[in-house]
Amino acid sequence: DIVMTQTPLSLSVTPGQPVSISCKSSQSLLHSDGKTYLFWYLQKPGQSPQLLIYEVSTRFSGVPDRFSGSGSGTDFTLKISRVEAEDVGIYYCMQTMYLWTFGQGTKVEIK
Amino acid sequence: EVQLLESGGGLAQPGGSLRLSCAPSGFTFSIHAMGWVRQAPGKGLEWVLSISGDGGTAYYADSVRGRFTISRDNFKNALYLQISSLRVEDTAVYYCVKAAYSPNWYWDYWGQGTLVTVSS
Repeated sequence: DIVMTQTPLSLSVTPGQPVSISCKSSQSLLHSDGKTYLFWYLQKPGQSPQLLIYEVSTRFSGVPDRFSGSGSGTDFTLKISRVEAEDVGIYYCMQTMYLWTFGQGTKVEIK
Repeated sequence: EVQLLESGGGLAQPGGSLRLSCAPSGFTFSIHAMGWVRQAPGKGLEWVLSISGDGGTAYYADSVRGRFTISRDNFKNALYLQISSLRVEDTAVYYCVKAAYSPNWYWDYWGQGTLVTVSS
């Protein structure tokens, strides 16, 4: 099984400040087709998860450009350039290289 | 607008059974893989099952293999999750998820979830 490890598990940020969340996989997520199967989701309080980023760095429809994804192989990062109040929730990374596994989640709160 | 509406959750006893349903709309159901992801109270996300658009291929997490069955009816536009031999640890919100139209199945839309509580 591919294990996904996120850090930190929680953070408290001031609106307007940047945020960075790390996700590491136990195996490379680079597929033979040249794509890397790493995804980011946000679960806002009381809501279902929503897709933010697919294949490492492509923002899903309607996702603000303050969200960006980067990384390769086994190390990935989600960045929020300037956090807004509506960005609170739990962020999950997910791999689809072999079945589907999620990271533990990173809880983002606003100070 | 893509919508996924789950139903069928509720209270069940250990060893019992339930059938969850998902009613999709806003997209061509038959060409998209679908799945179920669950979330125990206060916990993270756990993928449990997936099924191809034609229903011919299914994948199961080890934690549910032999107890859970995923199926779909493309004529009725419905996705199902048959749960048997329920355990207390199956208590969770079960989300119906839609895969993007891609060779790689990743979940682009989620339903609102249906809560399954297993307790005696």
